[in-house]
Amino acid sequence: AQSVTQLDSHVSVSEGTPVLLRCNYSSSYSPSLFWYVQHPNKGLQLLLKYTSAATLVKGINGFEAEFKKSETSFHLTKPSAHMSDAAEYFCVVTRPNAGNQFYFGTGTSLTVIP
Amino acid sequence: GAVVSQHPSWVICKSGTSVKIECRSLDFQATTMFWYRQFPKQSLMLMATSNEGSKATYEQGVEKDKFLINHASLTLSTLTVTSAHPEDSSFYICSATDGYSNQPQHFGDGTRLSIL
Repeated sequence: AQSVTQLDSHVSVSEGTPVLLRCNYSSSYSPSLFWYVQHPNKGLQLLLKYTSAATLVKGINGFEAEFKKSETSFHLTKPSAHMSDAAEYFCVVTRPNAGNQFYFGTGTSLTVIP
Repeated sequence: GAVVSQHPSWVICKSGTSVKIECRSLDFQATTMFWYRQFPKQSLMLMATSNEGSKATYEQGVEKDKFLINHASLTLSTLTVTSAHPEDSSFYICSATDGYSNQPQHFGDGTRLSIL
């Protein structure tokens, strides 16, 4: 079975400081993992994806995530938070050859303090 | 990048009416589309998966007669909320994929449905 746990429902950082949003996954197969961002009253925008290539994945807007199989983690990081990063972030795992069905984490709300 | 257009973005209607939401993939062929429902401050809940030209697969607990899904072409899927009631008020989001395994879903901007 596939599942994702986002360890923090809410994270607050000061502008200019690093961001860490944690995600742990459970998968019976070699997973594909994604991070999406959702701004208020908007759909989801893909930040980055891991699909069994390089374990350190770089995404848009300065975000990156590292796939650590030994820790079953796929944490999202950014060196310096910007006010525009304030949003809801979702970690997603899929199962190969399963019609791309997504398994969503419960989301982490990021607040950036000026 | 891949673009999915969802329309309308906001709809308010009276209880008992039916509402149709459209989801279009603008620059790729979407063999599979998904419909989600999102309650405030919560994650997305998958309602159904639709493949072009075939009947949608509904998740457990989702009434297929209430939420009619049509995926008649490779670029368009529609969700019709029939005889809508206030408890159907929610944020509905569609997504589309070209069907290849492990590829990301591309999401529309969602539809805020308010039933009075």
